[in-house]
Amino acid sequence: GQNIDQPTEMTATEGAIVQINCTYQTSGFNGLFWYQQHAGEAPTFLSYNVLDGLEEKGRFSSFLSRSKGYSYLLLKELQMKDSASYLCAVSSLTGGGNKLTFGTGTQLKVEL
Amino acid sequence: GAVVSQHPSRVICKSGTSVKIECRSLDFQATTMFWYRQFPKQSLMLMATSNEGSKATYEQGVEKDKFLINHASLTLSTLTVTSAHPEDSSFYICSARDRGHGLDNEQFFGPGTRLTVL
Repeated sequence: GQNIDQPTEMTATEGAIVQINCTYQTSGFNGLFWYQQHAGEAPTFLSYNVLDGLEEKGRFSSFLSRSKGYSYLLLKELQMKDSASYLCAVSSLTGGGNKLTFGTGTQLKVEL
Repeated sequence: GAVVSQHPSRVICKSGTSVKIECRSLDFQATTMFWYRQFPKQSLMLMATSNEGSKATYEQGVEKDKFLINHASLTLSTLTVTSAHPEDSSFYICSARDRGHGLDNEQFFGPGTRLTVL
């Protein structure tokens, strides 16, 4: 089966940098996604990693180590609007095709 | 591009009634659509995978007779919650995979449907 762990909550200061970690155990690994979700809304795509290393996209970066089953999402120059839940989702290739399994999400609160 | 819509956005119904939720891909053809359920402060849990023209594949623990899924065309999938009960109250989110664009494993999410069963 799949097992994905993220911290439940984090708090950071506006303008700072925050790193949200995600560890996973899965079979048929086929990539890892990070999504942002505001309360009552659908997840929005932030980043994708399938190979080891760092992917940078503006204020957001994501890192993957497949051998360690580990990823992190790095948010720079935090803004109040970044307060949201951040979901780590692992894509796996099964007999039925590609499937996403979501972690429980990390609720990030950005404070002044 | 790659926009997915859901209707309705919110629905309140009485216990015992059935509710249908529609999921549409607006600007692409979706060979595969997914239905998720999200309880408060929890993550998205995959309920079923729906392929156009074939029966949906349900995840373990999801009752196929209670959650009816129909994927009649490449742009529309429906989820019907039959004989809804208060414990079915949740946020239901669909997603779709674009056969022609993006990553093979990328899913585009709809805005979700908040179901409240009284």
